[in-house]
Amino acid sequence: DGGITQSPKYLFRKEGQNVTLSCEQNLNHDAMYWYRQDPGQGLRLIYYSQIVNDFQKGDIAEGYSVSREKKESFPLTVTSAQKNPTAFYLCASSIQGVTSYEQYFGPGTRLTVT
Amino acid sequence: DAKTTQPNSMESNEEEPVHLPCNHSTISGTDYIHWYRQLPSQGPEYVIHGLTSNVNNRMASLAIAEDRKSSTLILHRATLRDAAVYYCILTGSGGSNYKLTFGKGTLLTVNP
Repeated sequence: DGGITQSPKYLFRKEGQNVTLSCEQNLNHDAMYWYRQDPGQGLRLIYYSQIVNDFQKGDIAEGYSVSREKKESFPLTVTSAQKNPTAFYLCASSIQGVTSYEQYFGPGTRLTVT
Repeated sequence: DAKTTQPNSMESNEEEPVHLPCNHSTISGTDYIHWYRQLPSQGPEYVIHGLTSNVNNRMASLAIAEDRKSSTLILHRATLRDAAVYYCILTGSGGSNYKLTFGKGTLLTVNP
């Protein structure tokens, strides 16, 4: 089955530690995205990548880093510089097109930092 | 980015139609109207999108006002599985802007 996988579903870390969230897709999509969602809020864009080896900052990139070495993978690192890292993190992918912005989302990773 | 306004919450009964409104008075001529929904503790799911004409798919219908300043997502027969947060999102056509801006959406409750 084609889709997006994120692992793990739940992640716990101590404050001051960097943590990397995994996102893999087998949809052959060029574009990939990372969003953050806080309780009762909509999604906010952290980073996005339209092609391999290229990515752009979204609205809330501070304290995060990404890499895009392979088309199917777009890992997100939450660094110790991120002041409020506890959140629900969602990865998405899409084909590049001019008439539709249909993004396919993974199941998410719920990160708790204490 | 053009903004959308949706009610915070709506309630429906199972097997009845649901009309979810969205206002987007500052929409530009090239903006597409997208709808996504998010079930509890899951990632959002694409529902439907349109530009000017009304659209139908297996999940829902999208009715777009003639002046495009508002639209309505129609679920023809609500089921308990339709209980979710529904997001109305505008996106620009062409170029390299693929950004989806999610507001708080409308929380739909479906009563059995």
